[in-house]
Amino acid sequence: AAGVIQSPRHLIKEKRETATLKCYPIPRHDTVYWYQQGPGQDPQFLISFYEKMQSDKGSIPDRFSAQQFSDYHSELNMSSLELGDSALYFCASSLERGNRDTEAFFGQGTRLTVV
Amino acid sequence: AQSVTQLGSHVSVSEGALVLLRCNYSSSVPPYLFWYVQYPNQGLQLLLKYTSAATLVKGINGFEAEFKKSETSFHLTKPSAHMSDAAEYFCAVRFSGGYNKLIFGAGTRLAVHP
Repeated sequence: AAGVIQSPRHLIKEKRETATLKCYPIPRHDTVYWYQQGPGQDPQFLISFYEKMQSDKGSIPDRFSAQQFSDYHSELNMSSLELGDSALYFCASSLERGNRDTEAFFGQGTRLTVV
Repeated sequence: AQSVTQLGSHVSVSEGALVLLRCNYSSSVPPYLFWYVQYPNQGLQLLLKYTSAATLVKGINGFEAEFKKSETSFHLTKPSAHMSDAAEYFCAVRFSGGYNKLIFGAGTRLAVHP
């Protein structure tokens, strides 16, 4: 079965550079979530989109922005990177419409290292 | 507000021994509860979920969890640990209505020794 695809799997950037992470949800899923997991930390919710509209916002820095496109894939844009942005970034997708007991399926994550 | 507390950041068991990973939740509305497993350098894999149906939930790899409202707990158990169970385990809660934002516990690292 198709899963959530994230690219790239690994990314190394220098401080103050910009990074773009991509997420391709499971086909027909209408909701995408972004999480950040720092070293030895639990995943923290950043932002989510339902039907291409932002549906919820968590602890996402102002330097970060995200959007969901017409084909439902999502991109997380990160500017002015800081060392503290080094983390594993997860994307998850789910089917929310008409689905009460839904669950989120996670991608393998993108490991971002800022040097 | 909803939150999750996992007791014990590290748990070590012998192969074949009982695994018990503790999770307590705080929620003002009926919660949906999940256990995820994360192997090194891997993503999050769903072990099992509670969605207000049966209070005893069976998941993959022989794991199960029991929802106890009176104790606000959702502990994860496995009768006999296997070396391949060594991983990080996260308990998570989400709102019973609305969108699927998950709130994770701090995680418990399970070590299994021979």
